[in-house]
Order: sequence, then structure tokens, then C-alpha cells
Amino acid sequence: KAGVTQTPRYLIKTRGQQVTLSCSPISGHRSVSWYQQTPGQGLQFLFEYFSETQRNKGNFPGRFSGRQFSNSRSEMNVSTLELGDSALYLCASSPGLAAVGDTQYFGPGTRLTVL
Amino acid sequence: AQTVTQSQPEMSVQEAETVTLSCTYDTSESDYYLFWYKQPPSRQMILVIRQEAYKQQNATENRFSVNFQKAAKSFSLKISDSQLGDAAMYFCAYLSRGATNKLIFGTGTLLAVQP
Repeated sequence: KAGVTQTPRYLIKTRGQQVTLSCSPISGHRSVSWYQQTPGQGLQFLFEYFSETQRNKGNFPGRFSGRQFSNSRSEMNVSTLELGDSALYLCASSPGLAAVGDTQYFGPGTRLTVL
Repeated sequence: AQTVTQSQPEMSVQEAETVTLSCTYDTSESDYYLFWYKQPPSRQMILVIRQEAYKQQNATENRFSVNFQKAAKSFSLKISDSQLGDAAMYFCAYLSRGATNKLIFGTGTLLAVQP
């Protein structure tokens, strides 16, 4: 099976712009989770989508949003970018059976730089 | 709220030797899952090993094994016969059993392998 793919791999934006990142999960996986990784804050959970519905959300401002399509592909959007949004954004997919403790498989990440 | 602590920011091991990475966590839950992920310089997060809290037997995967002490809330990773390719950042992560796939990560331990 193909792994989790994320596009684009690298992105440079300026403050105030918005950005959309994409994640394609492993075939058959219905859950997609997003994480932000920064040197200062480490790995932080953004949100999880399962069957096109947001199942959980981390402690991030409303500028961070996401969605999931019927084919389980997911996008996350960050509006009005700030310098502090510079980070590696990781997407993880899993079958979606959270009740039995899914193992999440990660994509290669999107490196976002905000100037 | 659950927390995960990795008290060793950096570790070093000689090739072919054994090293143990420490992880402690805090939770009031009785049923949960613990993971070790490896993040090499490529930044791709790779699953190393998984442990179900209800299983007393420690998980093993080839050269990787864990020492899971539920009462002490400790979950250490032992790497035997260390190889140069084991050099990476290692993250301990906690997952509640329930209706979400939110992983809670520790701050990581950077492992160097000396030839």
C-alpha cells in the first residue's frame, strides 16, 4: 500500500496570507489527524477528521481549520498567517477505530515558512 | 489531562551497544496505548513500537523492546545492537482509548550513534 502523502512538501508565505495543505491517507483509512511541530512547542495536535466530520480539535485559534472529503483526503487551512505559524505540519492516517487504539501512520510533512 | 515526559534531551550510544530511552506519563485512565516513534533527519515520523496498557507483556519488535511499568507510569525503549541508522529523534506518545485519535507526545530524545 502507498503511504500517507502530503503536498506541497515546502511552502513559503508572507504574513497575512492564507495557505492550504493537503493530505492523502493510506488507502482504506478513514481518519486523518493533523499535528504542528515547532522547536519551541514540540508536537501539538491540531484536529482529527473521521468520515468527513471533525472528531476532535486541539487548542489552536480559529485561523486553523480543516476538512475531509468523501475519499478521506484532508486539507487544512491557515488564514491570516503569522510568523509563529512557521512549522512542520504533519498529517497522520489511521483506520479510524479509535475505540481500540488506532496506530497512526505519518506523512513526510509540509514545511511552512512564514516571512 | 494526560502528559508525557521524556527527561533525556540527548543520548549517545556506540554502534552495536544497547541504549535505553526513558519516558514517563501521567494519566488517570486505566485503558490507553503507548507508542514510540522515530523521526530521522528526513523528518518522516516512523512507528517503532506500540504497547496496549491492558497487556502486561512488554512489546518487542526485532531489536526494539519496551519496559512497561503501568503502576509506575513508565514506558522505556531499549534498542539492542544499535546501528548507525538508529540515529534519530525518538518520541514517546500516549493515546487514550476512546472516540478520538489525539496523540500526546513527549518532547523527544535525540539519539546519536557513534561508529
